[in-house]
Amino acid sequence: EPEVTQTPSHQVTQMGQEVILRCVPISNHLYFYWYRQILGQKVEFLVSFYNNEISEKSEIFDDQFSVERPDGSNFTLKIRSTKLEDSAMYFCASKRTKETQYFGPGTRLLVL
Amino acid sequence: AQTVTQSQPEMSVQEAETVTLSCTYDTSESDYYLFWYKQPPSRQMILVIRQEAYKQQNATENRFSVNFQKAAKSFSLKISDSQLGDAAMYFCAYRSPPGTGSQGNLIFGKGTKLSVKP
Repeated sequence: EPEVTQTPSHQVTQMGQEVILRCVPISNHLYFYWYRQILGQKVEFLVSFYNNEISEKSEIFDDQFSVERPDGSNFTLKIRSTKLEDSAMYFCASKRTKETQYFGPGTRLLVL
Repeated sequence: AQTVTQSQPEMSVQEAETVTLSCTYDTSESDYYLFWYKQPPSRQMILVIRQEAYKQQNATENRFSVNFQKAAKSFSLKISDSQLGDAAMYFCAYRSPPGTGSQGNLIFGKGTKLSVKP
């Protein structure tokens, strides 16, 4: 069964550094999402992406964040200058049309 | 704005027994989707069950079923014959229908931590 994959599974970085989190959505899916979950808190929506552009973003998704689909398979989330409060689990999700979103296993980001 | 509330931070159930997790939501929309996701210690998000608001019949998926009360805006999850592997964090989530200006991002509740006792 096809699944969403994410790399790396864990990332440790220094405050102020740039990180890129990678996701490979399910191949025939059209809508892509990033969510984050700070430890002990609920999952929060960051951004949705469709037809090669951002379709919706939350207040969390400020100028430090960007997303890209550089080729036909990868979907990346870049954090330009990480802050301590960016430490969280980051989930990628995808869906085909109006169907269910399928989540990847997540990337655990720790900013020191 | 839509909100999702899970009023039970933690629940416990004996193996083989039945447990019900509560979820309420607030929306002014008439058509939407509701989901239950499971997050085991590995922290992966796994879809358990989904319900379309226009369907009156409650969704069922093996040992998992929902009690969807649209007028009350309630969407509870019932787990029958609980197994040790059911121990996880359970999140209720709401999604607006397409064509409402939203591309369908999920709004999550805070979660309920379910423990299963052998």
